[in-house]
Amino acid sequence: EIVLTQSPGTLSLSPGERATLSCRASQSVDSSYLAWYQQKPGQAPRLLIYGASSRATDIPDRFSGSGSGTDFTLTISRLEPEDFAVYYCQLYGRSRWTFGQGTKVEIK
Amino acid sequence: VQLVESGGGVVQPGRSLRLSCAASGFTFSSAGMHWVRQAPGKGLEWVAVIWYDGSDQYYADSVKGRFTISRDNSKDILYLQLNSLRAEDTAVYYCARWITVTTGHFQSHYLDVWGNGTTVTVSS
Repeated sequence: EIVLTQSPGTLSLSPGERATLSCRASQSVDSSYLAWYQQKPGQAPRLLIYGASSRATDIPDRFSGSGSGTDFTLTISRLEPEDFAVYYCQLYGRSRWTFGQGTKVEIK
Repeated sequence: VQLVESGGGVVQPGRSLRLSCAASGFTFSSAGMHWVRQAPGKGLEWVAVIWYDGSDQYYADSVKGRFTISRDNSKDILYLQLNSLRAEDTAVYYCARWITVTTGHFQSHYLDVWGNGTTVTVSS
């Protein structure tokens, strides 16, 4: 079973700053199977990135994904007020899908 | 494109509940579907998946043998039967559409549309 570990647990930043979120897999994975989601309080998750680096429809270009093997990164180039939320990475498996535990991006 | 869950509520430990997810705006019979849950204050936990035609299903270890995912493609509805409920099953349950995109030699899999969730509370 592959485990996804996200870090840090909480990221305290100011609007306009750059956010770098990490997702590490317990073994090497196909990067095309890695996605990122954003979730705001009281809302359903929203797809941001799929295939490790492809932005979903209507996602601003300040969001970018990268990585391969075991290490993946979600970068928000300049934080907007609406970007403060919890972010999850997710891995596809034919018989099991896995989420990381999440990184909360909070206003400093 | 919309998914609307229903059927949640307060139930005693050991009892059963059936959740529904009504789909609209897309060809439901062509889409694999998932259930994902979120316990209060916790992260997302994948629960179950069903193939577009219902031919295959998989479950998280935490619910295997107790939960059953199914679908009615004639009605565009996804179901989750929850049996032998435990306090730790208390969560918001989301249904989500599974998308597969093939680009060259690579195939991406992700959940692109989510419902707003239905809340299950297991308590005596």
